Amino acid sequence: AQSVTQPDIHITVSEGASLELRCNYSYGATPYLFWYVQSPGQGLQLLLKYFSGDTLVQGIKGFEAEFKRSQSSFNLRKPSVHWSDAAEYFCAVGAAEYGNKLVFGAGTILRVKS
Amino acid sequence: NAGVTQTPKFQVLKTGQSMTLQCAQDMNHEYMSWYRQDPGMGLRLIHYSVGAGITDQGEVPNGYNVSRSTTEDFPLRLLSAAPSQTSVYFCASSPGTVYEQYFGPGTRLTVT
Repeated sequence: AQSVTQPDIHITVSEGASLELRCNYSYGATPYLFWYVQSPGQGLQLLLKYFSGDTLVQGIKGFEAEFKRSQSSFNLRKPSVHWSDAAEYFCAVGAAEYGNKLVFGAGTILRVKS
Repeated sequence: NAGVTQTPKFQVLKTGQSMTLQCAQDMNHEYMSWYRQDPGMGLRLIHYSVGAGITDQGEVPNGYNVSRSTTEDFPLRLLSAAPSQTSVYFCASSPGTVYEQYFGPGTRLTVT
C-alpha cells in the first residue's frame, strides 16, 4: 500500500536558522510529489511540486525540495526561516497509475523562536 | 475566480442527524475530491470524482455519500452523523490526473 511518512511531528527552529522537513514515501509507481502548507484555521496552500525533470525544485516563499529516488525522499528546505513560516507542513504523493488520489503524510508542525 | 468554495465554515450536529457539505469550483476542473483532516493523521481521501456523473470511493468512504451532477459542484452527504465524523473537511479540485490539487477553506464539523 502507498504510504507517506513525515518522521517529525513538531520542529522548533530559531528565526533566521535553516530548516529541513523530512518526507519519505513508499509507492509502487513513479511518484509525483507535493509540499503544502497550512496556517491555523486555513486551507492548504501549495508550496512546490515535482513531476519530472530536475530533482531540485523551487517553490514559493523561498522554499525548495529535493527528490531523491534512491532514498524515496522529498525533503523540504529553507535557508533562513521567518516567523511567518510557523505553520503545519504536509507532504503528499500521487501517481498517474492511481488517478488523482493523493496520499498525505501526517504533517509537521513548525514553530519559530524569535 | 473564487477558486474552491465550501459552505458552511462551521457546523454542529447531533448524532443521527443528516446534512450536506457544499463544495463548488469555478475553474472548470474535471477532478474533485473530499478529504477529512484529523490531528496526527494528515488528510485522508473520502470520495473523489473524475468528471460529472462519475464518482468513486477513497480511503475512508463509510458514512458518506457523494454525487456529481455538474462539473462545478461536488456535495458531500452525511446520512446519519456519528461522533467519529467530527473532523475538518476539505474539498479540492484539479484540472487533471498529474496536476496539483486546489483546496477550499474547509468545514469544521462537530458531532455531539
